Parts: sequence; C-alpha cells; structure tokens
Amino acid sequence: QVQLQESGPGLVKPSETLSLTCAVSGYSISSGYYWAWIRQPPGKGLECIGTIYHSGITYYNPSLKSRVTISVDTSKNQFSLKLSSVTAADTAVYYCARNPGSRYLDYWGQGTLVTVSS
Amino acid sequence: QSALTQPASVSGSPGQSITISCTGTSSDVGGYKYVSWYQQHPGKAPKLMIYDVSNRPSGVSNRFSGSKSGNTASLTISGLQAEDEADYYCGSYTTSSYVIFGGGTKLTVL
Repeated sequence: QVQLQESGPGLVKPSETLSLTCAVSGYSISSGYYWAWIRQPPGKGLECIGTIYHSGITYYNPSLKSRVTISVDTSKNQFSLKLSSVTAADTAVYYCARNPGSRYLDYWGQGTLVTVSS
Repeated sequence: QSALTQPASVSGSPGQSITISCTGTSSDVGGYKYVSWYQQHPGKAPKLMIYDVSNRPSGVSNRFSGSKSGNTASLTISGLQAEDEADYYCGSYTTSSYVIFGGGTKLTVL
C-alpha cells in the first residue's frame, strides 16, 4: 500500500521560506509517476502547487511559479517543497500526493498545517 | 488559469440521485479526457473517486459515476447515503501539465 507522510515546521515567519518534505513508502519514486504538492487554506478549496517526475522534471502552477521549488531525492524516496517569501495568504494545510501522468491524484498524505505568522 | 466552476452546494434525500457539475475551458476540461473527482470529509485528506472522466478506482462504490460533455464534467451519485455527505472537488489536467481544481461543492444529505 502506497503511503505518503508530510513533515516540516508548522509555523513560518512572513518573508521566510516554507520547507516541507514528503516521505513515500510502499512504492519506489524512481519507478515512475509524478508526485505533487497541493494546499488548502482553512475553509477554502484545493490548489495544486506543482508536480515533479522521478527524473526531476517539474511543472508549477503559474500563479506560484516564481516562489516555488519542488525537488526529489530518490535515494531517500522522498520529495520536497520550498515556497519563498511567504505571507499570511500561504497559511494552509499542505498535502503531498502521487500524481499519475500528472492527470489525477490517487494517494494522498494526511496533510500538515503550516501557519505563517510572526 | 482560473479555478473550475462548481455549484457551492447541492442536497438530496437518502436513496435519491444528485449530479454535481464542473465547468472549465478548452484548456482544461474540454481539451482532455482527464477529469477527476475527489471526496473530502471534514478534517480528512481528499479521496479520489473518479479519474479520467469516468473510471472508478478499486474500492469506490459503483454508485459514483462521471461523465463529460464539452467544457463541462459531471459527477453523479445514485442511491444517496448519509456517508456521502462531504465536500466534492473536480480536477482537470491543464495545458500547463498540472491539475486545476474546482472551488468545491458541499453535498448535504437531508
């Protein structure tokens, strides 16, 4: 069974960089698939931040592209998110998910709340 | 790219059928056969219910079905049950090679 688990600081100061990692178990990232980050502000809808292929190819949401970096570490079977220059608007539950063909999201992590506040 | 358009809420009685619409553009819903639907209960991660317009993942009830016509996709839930009460999100592959979501629809089972 594929499982994903997000980890990282739950509190980030404004203007700093948010960093999260998604550990994958039950499937080897290097075997294929895209892997995505999605966020959900409190009480609001879902927003895909971007996705990465095991080879390192990335696609980002144009609205966040200037601030986002997604990377993959196949040796640790994990992928990561960095979002720079954060503001209160970046406060959200952040999810990682498997993203077959970049078409849909079939396995999700439980999500982690990141609050941007001084 | 703007979010896909869904009704804010729908409701139905147990045993009835409901349909949730999801409208996009030719750059997403209308351009690809890659629409997906997700169910989200409060405080939980979304769960994939439909992918590639009309395919159900293993374990998802056949009461859930999907379709698409032009720039609009639809999710139909038949034989409504209390456990179906949740938020539902549509998603679509886009020309920018990522999934764009709808704003979400709150389903209330009366």
